[in-house]
Amino acid sequence: DTEVTQTPKHLVMGMTNKKSLKCEQHMGHRAMYWYKQKAKKPPELMFVYSYEKLSINESVPSRFSPECPNSSLLNLHLHALQPEDSALYLCASSHPVTDTQYFGPGTRLTVL
Amino acid sequence: KNQVEQSPQSLIILEGKNCTLQCNYTVSPFSNLRWYKQDTGRGPVSLTIMTFSENTKSNGRYTATLDADTKQSSLHITASQLSDSASYICVVSARGSTLGRLYFGRGTQLTVWP
Repeated sequence: DTEVTQTPKHLVMGMTNKKSLKCEQHMGHRAMYWYKQKAKKPPELMFVYSYEKLSINESVPSRFSPECPNSSLLNLHLHALQPEDSALYLCASSHPVTDTQYFGPGTRLTVL
Repeated sequence: KNQVEQSPQSLIILEGKNCTLQCNYTVSPFSNLRWYKQDTGRGPVSLTIMTFSENTKSNGRYTATLDADTKQSSLHITASQLSDSASYICVVSARGSTLGRLYFGRGTQLTVWP
């Protein structure tokens, strides 16, 4: 299984809503990542978890809250988002030796 | 400053033709370079990965080259197909860098016309 899965594929939410994005991998990778990608731009790193501990937070606003319940799952909790947070949110995981990151299909988020 | 520059920004070719995409980087010390293909609204998919000692790697109709001396890489696509229409992103990692710290190019948007 060389797949990273993400749910939901699409999400529309209001600025007062609370929602969560989910990511799952079963490749035994011990590092997992959240990226934000705006149209025609490269992905921007948000968070990195290594061995289920948060190792990098790229000064992301607190309205984004990551969680790593176990080595296969990664969540991103969303609260009080702004319209400019609308983007494609990508999850990735990496092999501990090769360091190659495998990306999920992304969640297309629209904040109204 | 660690940077990755790609050219051209966009490219249109006819189905069946070949094309070459370029990537120049200043990331140092260099660890590896990857080419990803990203369809619109989807996550990037790895095509090739090359380390310092490798100068050519193929994956089907995709052939990547690396010149670590000039810090340049290219991705050559042969006999293009409509499904090759996508953004191709060059990604470089630095040796000894913090886990997950990758340097992304802005991508080349390839459109293949019938």
